[in-house]
Amino acid sequence: SQKIEQNSEALNIQEGKTATLTCNYTNYSPAYLQWYRQDPGRGPVFLLLIRENEKEKRKERLKVTFDTTLKQSLFHITASQPADSATYLCALVRTGGFKTIFGAGTRLFVKA
Amino acid sequence: DTGVSQDPRHKITKRGQNVTFRCDPISEHNRLYWYRQTLGQGPEFLTYFQNEAQLEKSRLLSDRFSAERPKGSFSTLEIQRTEQGDSAMYLCASSLFPLTGAVTVRANYGYTFGSGTRLTVV
Repeated sequence: SQKIEQNSEALNIQEGKTATLTCNYTNYSPAYLQWYRQDPGRGPVFLLLIRENEKEKRKERLKVTFDTTLKQSLFHITASQPADSATYLCALVRTGGFKTIFGAGTRLFVKA
Repeated sequence: DTGVSQDPRHKITKRGQNVTFRCDPISEHNRLYWYRQTLGQGPEFLTYFQNEAQLEKSRLLSDRFSAERPKGSFSTLEIQRTEQGDSAMYLCASSLFPLTGAVTVRANYGYTFGSGTRLTVV
């Protein structure tokens, strides 16, 4: 069956360090992959999209990599701040598809 | 445009009652999606519309669930004869999906979500 796996354990890091979150998928051929941020009681907020033919995408302090051979995406937040504390969701859209399938998310805590 | 609006934010209902939620998407977006999210899980796809046409329903959506998007504008999600297992956050999202070259320039393929409707069935 198709699976999207994100680390279910929370990630705790110190302010100023780089946070790295992992998204692995199986039995999937994604056309593109998205990362969202979700705060408690709120809807997810779109952050970045990377296509299957792209290796890396950057936006300000955020960087996403996409390795279709490893079936993995890494999401990096550099110079992390306490305000970055949230749940980060990985999501895939299949080639020729129309709906986005989400992982369960990884909770990030950034300590001051 | 203030983004995607959902109403109500919270709904508590007794088992067996019917409930209806409303979603107002971003006006220029042609796609509208409904998702359901339970604690500790990611959003699960329920259904989506392109303009007024409902193009797919998840197997998660039993016959008790129905969604409409009249005139391709706002959408409603109705749950009939609610059960305790229906308790969840119901999220609406919209996106601009490229259908022509002109649209492609503005589309970023990401979804804009509303704040959700928290349903509690007691």
